[in-house]
Amino acid sequence: GAGVSQSPSNKVTEKGKDVELRCDPISGHTALYWYRQSLGQGLEFLIYFQGNSAPDKSGLPSDRFSAERTGGSVSTLTIQRTQQEDSAVYLCASSLSSRAAYTFGSGTRLTVV
Amino acid sequence: QQQVKQSPQSLIVQKGGISIINCAYENTAFDYFPWYQQFPGKGPALLIAIRPDVSEKKEGRFTISFNKSAKQFSLHIMDSQPGDSATYFCAASWGSQGNLIFGKGTKLSVKP
Repeated sequence: GAGVSQSPSNKVTEKGKDVELRCDPISGHTALYWYRQSLGQGLEFLIYFQGNSAPDKSGLPSDRFSAERTGGSVSTLTIQRTQQEDSAVYLCASSLSSRAAYTFGSGTRLTVV
Repeated sequence: QQQVKQSPQSLIVQKGGISIINCAYENTAFDYFPWYQQFPGKGPALLIAIRPDVSEKKEGRFTISFNKSAKQFSLHIMDSQPGDSATYFCAASWGSQGNLIFGKGTKLSVKP
């Protein structure tokens, strides 16, 4: 596609529920990243996929967070047993390679009530 | 070591003025320093980037100044316009590890 597509754009969920956030990267981009943006906290790195290599999960804040990337394209970020502190905008980005400019999606705004 | 410290947190500039945002880092292995611009409701977009083999890079009204010895770099926006009002993030990365480490952002408001 022309850009990075994220869905849903907004998600309200009850505390304790599981949520799945989807990212469709730009076709041909081998690198895919998830970041979390909380108010006043900048962009917090979560996870990074590069081609067929094992993902860099070093930024995942807890074992409630997981992500997968199927067929080197679409990625899903799953948050289990959501907590109020998980409320944030989750941004996905892709790039041609690990050293190229990122193209970000518009994000998914997650609100846990 | 992994942090990129950005200042100021917010900035108000008159139209036509110069906006200056500063970033500092500790990890001397960092070798790529981009700036991203974010408008409300949108994801950040690459504005300009520099590598440490040069001290300055200019693209239109936007200039990055880089001081390797001080481990600092800054974004200068000349002739600032109301349309430049956005949040700006500096970032850094190194080697084959692709993920960028971002600063906490600067909210710029340019008053007409």
